[in-house]
Amino acid sequence: EVQLVESGGGLVQPGGSLRLSCAASGFTFSSYWMSWVRQAPGKGLEWVANIKQDGSEKYYVDSVKGRFTISRDNAKNSLYLQMNSLRAEDTAVYYCARGDIVVVVAPFDYWGQGTLVTVSS
Amino acid sequence: SYVLTQPPSVSVAPGQTARITCGGNNIGSKSVHWYQQKPGQAPVLVVYDDSDRPSGIPERFSGSNSGNTATLTISRVEAGDEADYYCQVWDSSSDLRGVFGGGTKLTVL
Repeated sequence: EVQLVESGGGLVQPGGSLRLSCAASGFTFSSYWMSWVRQAPGKGLEWVANIKQDGSEKYYVDSVKGRFTISRDNAKNSLYLQMNSLRAEDTAVYYCARGDIVVVVAPFDYWGQGTLVTVSS
Repeated sequence: SYVLTQPPSVSVAPGQTARITCGGNNIGSKSVHWYQQKPGQAPVLVVYDDSDRPSGIPERFSGSNSGNTATLTISRVEAGDEADYYCQVWDSSSDLRGVFGGGTKLTVL
């Protein structure tokens, strides 16, 4: 059974940093594109970033470029999101989502349950 | 940047057909994916590549895509279909990025 379990969320002050993790199981993690998707309270879904199987390609939504870094450790079956210079507008539930083996423009077929990040003083 | 436009809400009686649209410039040239999200839950993929269904998704869920509009159709709507629905595409016009529509709240009357 495919499982994605996020952790690392919490309350952080504006300008602070946080590192999210996503533990994957039930599939060959190293074979898949992976993404982070977020959802602000009461709002819609927003794609944040994705990363290729070997980490050689990474893409970000404009609003987080230069502040967030997506990475992965295939030996640990884990996906990460390092978030720096956090702003109030980064407050959201952050989901880890699985992409495809071959096609980058694929749907997100499995999602974690999400971890809440709250940026507030 | 590429924009997807969905109606904020759609209402339908049980047993009827619900159609949720997703508008975008020449969206017919892209693969559209649809997600269902119920309150407090993670999204679930219900249609991918315009009209394909993942295993376990009822045949009542179908999709189409042409021109500037993609449509998710839910036939014989049930109370359990009440949820938010999001369309999604990938835009590679400049740098690769994922794009979601604003979401549509489906209400079953």
